[in-house]
Amino acid sequence: GENVEQHPSTLSVQEGDSAVIKCTYSDSASNYFPWYKQELGKRPQLIIDIRSNVGEKKDQRIAVTLNKTAKHFSLHITETQPEDSAVYFCAASKTDSWGKFQFGAGTQVVVTP
Amino acid sequence: NAGVTQTPKFQVLKTGQSMTLQCAQDMNHEYMSWYRQDPGMGLRLIHYSVGAGITDQGEVPNGYNVSRSTTEDFPLRLLSAAPSQTSVYFCASRTPTGETEAFFGQGTRLTVV
Repeated sequence: GENVEQHPSTLSVQEGDSAVIKCTYSDSASNYFPWYKQELGKRPQLIIDIRSNVGEKKDQRIAVTLNKTAKHFSLHITETQPEDSAVYFCAASKTDSWGKFQFGAGTQVVVTP
Repeated sequence: NAGVTQTPKFQVLKTGQSMTLQCAQDMNHEYMSWYRQDPGMGLRLIHYSVGAGITDQGEVPNGYNVSRSTTEDFPLRLLSAAPSQTSVYFCASRTPTGETEAFFGQGTRLTVV
């Protein structure tokens, strides 16, 4: 089955700096890669996603890149702000997976003023 | 439009007790899933359903049962609670059309003593 590895497990950045989280996946058939943000005590919420026919996607300060050959994808947050502090999860799924996601273990991001 | 609703939000059980976590969605999503979240382990799939009357096991199904009698509801039953089932449980739903995000409920924090 699919296996998703996520690094780092914790990331501390100064406000205004950039943060990068990396994930690798094992199943070459995976074709959908969402990123979820989870604030303390809250539910995971989608912040950005990318499909396998796209190499990069950007939404304001957030971008995701996908390298299908190497089977890895990354989340980039620029100009970090204290409200970016949260746990971020990457995930992978494929068309015939009946709605199932394989999640990474999560990255705790702390943005210090 | 309430999205995905889980009840209860918090629960304390004694070892050996049984209980049902409720999940309901009003988005007419065919796909529904239950995940458990433990520190450092991300979200792990317990059971999932692709429509009314159809369920299957995920990564960590032992000690849990599910049923899906309607499109809207997907309850998770703990048969005989154990301390190892102390966790935060999330229900999620997703449309089967294409690769799309999963919507999560607000979670149930369960403690088994």
